[in-house]
Amino acid sequence: DTGVSQDPRHKITKRGQNVTFRCDPISEHNRLYWYRQTLGQGPEFLTYFQNEAQLEKSRLLSDRFSAERPKGSFSTLEIQRTEQGDSAMYLCASSLEGGTTEAFFGQGTRLTVV
Amino acid sequence: RKEVEQDPGPFNVPEGATVAFNCTYSNSASQSFFWYRQDCRKEPKLLMSVYSSGNEDGRFTAQLNRASQYISLLIRDSKLSDSATYLCVVTASGTYKYIFGTGTRLKVLA
Repeated sequence: DTGVSQDPRHKITKRGQNVTFRCDPISEHNRLYWYRQTLGQGPEFLTYFQNEAQLEKSRLLSDRFSAERPKGSFSTLEIQRTEQGDSAMYLCASSLEGGTTEAFFGQGTRLTVV
Repeated sequence: RKEVEQDPGPFNVPEGATVAFNCTYSNSASQSFFWYRQDCRKEPKLLMSVYSSGNEDGRFTAQLNRASQYISLLIRDSKLSDSATYLCVVTASGTYKYIFGTGTRLKVLA
């Protein structure tokens, strides 16, 4: 499968724990995005990378959230000291360079904080 | 005001009906426009890009009105399989992030 891959697909964690999600983009895509989606809402932008450089972060991304893309390939999103409000679907997407190109999404990681 | 606004619906239509969705965007510098489809508990997938001249793909027609800052999606001869959430997406000039609307839910009834 050469699409965007996310791991894990589901994560249940206790409040206060740290979690880390991984995203493997389509191999030739140099842009990688993280989004968060809650029920009944569209995906909300969190951050994006061009190669290994993190170019933009949303104000939604508190200092408990950190994302990396160390070698310009896969990316990780870490949430520290999780809160119940962090429960959501975390979607990763990738695209080629160029504003008119579509973004391809992974199947997402569903996080439940209990 | 949200950057991208859509009527959340739901739109309940009978099979064979024609249905239209609109989406407005606030940033006049928005450069690229898309419609994505999202099935329940699945990831969004591109339905079609929206070009300035308008474009058609089978039963689906997308149009862009830059002066009024809205895009539209028309679905003709609705099928049960068209039931999904349709997400309006724009990108602004100078940034490469995709900005999503809340989505419009469509349910096609037998």
